[in-house]
Amino acid sequence: DGGITQSPKYLFRKEGQNVTLSCEQNLNHDAMYWYRQDPGQGLRLIYYSQIVNDFQKGDIAEGYSVSREKKESFPLTVTSAQKNPTAFYLCASSTPDSNEKLFFGSGTQLSVL
Amino acid sequence: AQTVTQSQPEMSVQEAETVTLSCTYDTSENNYYLFWYKQPPSRQMILVIRQEAYKQQNATENRFSVNFQKAAKSFSLKISDSQLGDTAMYFCAFLTFGNEKLTFGTGTRLTIIP
Repeated sequence: DGGITQSPKYLFRKEGQNVTLSCEQNLNHDAMYWYRQDPGQGLRLIYYSQIVNDFQKGDIAEGYSVSREKKESFPLTVTSAQKNPTAFYLCASSTPDSNEKLFFGSGTQLSVL
Repeated sequence: AQTVTQSQPEMSVQEAETVTLSCTYDTSENNYYLFWYKQPPSRQMILVIRQEAYKQQNATENRFSVNFQKAAKSFSLKISDSQLGDTAMYFCAFLTFGNEKLTFGTGTRLTIIP
């Protein structure tokens, strides 16, 4: 079955630690996205990538980094510079030339120890 | 910058009744898409319905329909014959043509009461 796989489902970060959230898709989509969801708020865009080896900052990119070495993969690293990382992180992908219809993964809940 | 406002943080309705969720948005663009997404307790985001701004006809998907008022910048979602499985957070979202960034509202938590 085609879809987007995010792992792990739950992740814990210690102070000063970098952690990486995985996102893999087998939908052959060019565009991929990372969103952050906080309680009582909608989704906010962290980073997005329209093609391999290229990505752009979203609204809240500070403290995060990404890479897009393969079409299928778009990992997100939450660095120690992100002072409030506790949130639910959603990865998404879309059909070429448009994100009329985003396909979402099942998310990763990140918490700080 | 585009903004999306959902003024109803929580709503509840009896099973089989009809409920309407409101959404307003602010934009100076003329061509755009509007969406309603559902997020059940599993937290999986599911597309419910989509509306292109250039289409005057309101979109419909089975029990879900929208009331799109472009001049008023309003995009409400009507759920008919509500079911227990409709219990979820509902997010309104906006996308400008040629823009890669989907802007979300803060959501409405809908509870269907048996």
